[in-house]
Amino acid sequence: NAGVTQTPKFQVLKTGQSMTLQCAQDMNHEYMSWYRQDPGMGLRLIHYSVGAGITDQGEVPNGYNVSRSTTEDFPLRLLSAAPSQTSVYFCASSERRVDQPQHFGDGTRLSIL
Amino acid sequence: AQSVTQLGSHVSVSEGALVLLRCNYSSSVPPYLFWYVQYPNQGLQLLLKYTTGATLVKGINGFEAEFKKSETSFHLTKPSAHMSDAAEYFCAVRRSNNNDMRFGAGTRLTVKP
Repeated sequence: NAGVTQTPKFQVLKTGQSMTLQCAQDMNHEYMSWYRQDPGMGLRLIHYSVGAGITDQGEVPNGYNVSRSTTEDFPLRLLSAAPSQTSVYFCASSERRVDQPQHFGDGTRLSIL
Repeated sequence: AQSVTQLGSHVSVSEGALVLLRCNYSSSVPPYLFWYVQYPNQGLQLLLKYTTGATLVKGINGFEAEFKKSETSFHLTKPSAHMSDAAEYFCAVRRSNNNDMRFGAGTRLTVKP
């Protein structure tokens, strides 16, 4: 049982480049979400999804897009990378709304030069 | 919007001593409250949560927390610290009527032998 899998684990980008952070879960969870973690700031919610085809914005959505075409996958897209997006990104999932977020991936460490 | 304040970015205790990590929240509607633990280079792991019902909540690894509405607090305790408890701990709040999660800045717990 893999749980929540994030790829890649590390990535370095140049300013202006785009990329997609992948997140997949094998637990058939309806609720999935993306967070960024910055020193001294805890985690901040970027986007979340309550099921396939349904997404919504969190606290810090600017510069990021998401889609949810399947229950399993919830990719996060950086449209035009900026140094302010240097962070550690976590994907999470849960079976019930009341529990979210419950299961976290191990994170993607992203540096924007 | 709801918010969370964790008092003390670093807490140090001796092995066997009481662990007390403080969390205060603000929320305009009844909150859901959470504690998570993060070990180095890993995602967060849910320790315990309060949604409704009993205000004293027991979690994994011997931790518990008590929801005190009058004090707007949700402090995390453990009677006897183990070396393996050394990690960063995050308190989080979500209003019961939405999906927007807010995390505290975290408290790093050090356990001295």
